[in-house]
Amino acid sequence: NAGVTQTPKFQVLKTGQSMTLQCAQDMNHNSMYWYRQDPGMGLRLIYYSASEGTTDKGEVPNGYNVSRLNKREFSLRLESAAPSQTSVYFCASSERSWGAMNTEAFFGQGTRLTVV
Amino acid sequence: DAKTTQPPSMDCAEGRAANLPCNHSTISGNEYVYWYRQIHSQGPQYIIHGLKNNETNEMASLIITEDRKSSTLILPHATLRDTAVYYCIVRVREKAGNMLTFGGGTRLMVKP
Repeated sequence: NAGVTQTPKFQVLKTGQSMTLQCAQDMNHNSMYWYRQDPGMGLRLIYYSASEGTTDKGEVPNGYNVSRLNKREFSLRLESAAPSQTSVYFCASSERSWGAMNTEAFFGQGTRLTVV
Repeated sequence: DAKTTQPPSMDCAEGRAANLPCNHSTISGNEYVYWYRQIHSQGPQYIIHGLKNNETNEMASLIITEDRKSSTLILPHATLRDTAVYYCIVRVREKAGNMLTFGGGTRLMVKP
C-alpha cells in the first residue's frame, strides 16, 4: 500500500526556472494538501484541495500554483523559482477536510528542493 | 482561533514514560486535538487525536483536561526510535477555511 507518493525526491533548480512537484495518493481520499518546511521550522500550508475540482490558498501561497488533476493527484507548480523557495515540500491527504471533521492525514516523504 | 503552546524540547530515558504537554486554552467546543510526530525530516506521522475523552491506541495515550485547555501525550515506554519532533495541533480557522497549522512542536530526545 503506497499511501502518498511524491516525485521527485530531490531537485536543484536555478533561479527563474520552473518545475512541477507531483503528488498522488491511492487511498481514495477527498482532500489533499501541500506544505513546505524550512530548516528547523514547523510545516506551513501552501495550498489545499478540499475535494476534487476545488483548490484554496493556505498560509503561504505566493509564488505557487496548484492543480487538482483528479481525485488521486495534486500537483504544485513553481513558475519562477526563487532561493526563498528552497525548502522541503510535503504533500498530504485525508479522507475529508481537516479541522471540521474527525479525520487524520497521511503525508508523503517529501521533496527536497534547492534553488540556487 | 485556537493555537497551541508546547515546550521546545524534552529529554526522556529509554524505557520510561514520555509525557509531552500542550496548552490550547482557546480551543473551541468542536475542535479536536491532534498529535503528529516527525522523525528526522520524514513526512509527519499521525499518532492520535481526541475531543474530550482520553484516548489510547497502540502508539500512545492522550489525556485531555476536563476544561479542554490542555492535553498530554503519553508514550508509555519510550524507545530510541521515538526520538522525534512532536506536534500538538488544533484546527485554526483562517481566511482559507478549515486547515490544521503546525507550530514549532516539541523535540523529544530519548536517551539510553
